[in-house]
Amino acid sequence: DADVTQTPRNRITKTGKRIMLECSQTKGHDRMYWYRQDPGLGLQLIYYSFDVKDINKGEISDGYSVSRQAQAKFSLSLESAIPNQTALYFCATSALTGEQFFGPGTRLTVL
Amino acid sequence: KNQVEQSPQSLIILEGKNCTLQCNYTVSPFSNLRWYKQDTGRGPVSLTIMTFSENTKSNGRYTATLDADTKQSSLHITASQLSDSASYICVVSVQDSNYQLIWGAGTKLIIKP
Repeated sequence: DADVTQTPRNRITKTGKRIMLECSQTKGHDRMYWYRQDPGLGLQLIYYSFDVKDINKGEISDGYSVSRQAQAKFSLSLESAIPNQTALYFCATSALTGEQFFGPGTRLTVL
Repeated sequence: KNQVEQSPQSLIILEGKNCTLQCNYTVSPFSNLRWYKQDTGRGPVSLTIMTFSENTKSNGRYTATLDADTKQSSLHITASQLSDSASYICVVSVQDSNYQLIWGAGTKLIIKP
């Protein structure tokens, strides 16, 4: 089984809808991250969490919120989706400042 | 401003040939540099990591070099295979930062038979 899983893998939604992307990990890492990737661009950090009680904004947090329900679960919400949030979203985990392990990604399309 | 720039943006080579990808960074203070491989539609996977004192690191047919003085790194792929077709991303970590990773945009490599 995959160490980092994301659901859903693909989602098409309409402008103004609320969307939640979920991430689960079995690596036992305290640190979890959400990134988005647009075509031709690098990964951009949305939010990160160092433990259940520690949530921090990344470089592009506007329009997004997160919830760390447990050490193994970190979800990303778009309260009111807009078309320019169409992107590939990745969840990642790491131990301290080490290597990040990524999930398979969620392809989100906002019409 | 902390930045990572990669070149070329894309590269097409024939199977069996070698290639070298470049990464220039202006990150300070520097902690380490990783190269990731990202297959289309999938999450990145780490290939190598180098700290300030290391100037070369190999992982099979992949060899990364680091010149901390000129702030340049390269990833050399030997005897390319079709499975090497992917994006290769250079990521630099800021020292004393708990989280900050500066991601390059990647080089898209296509191996043709």
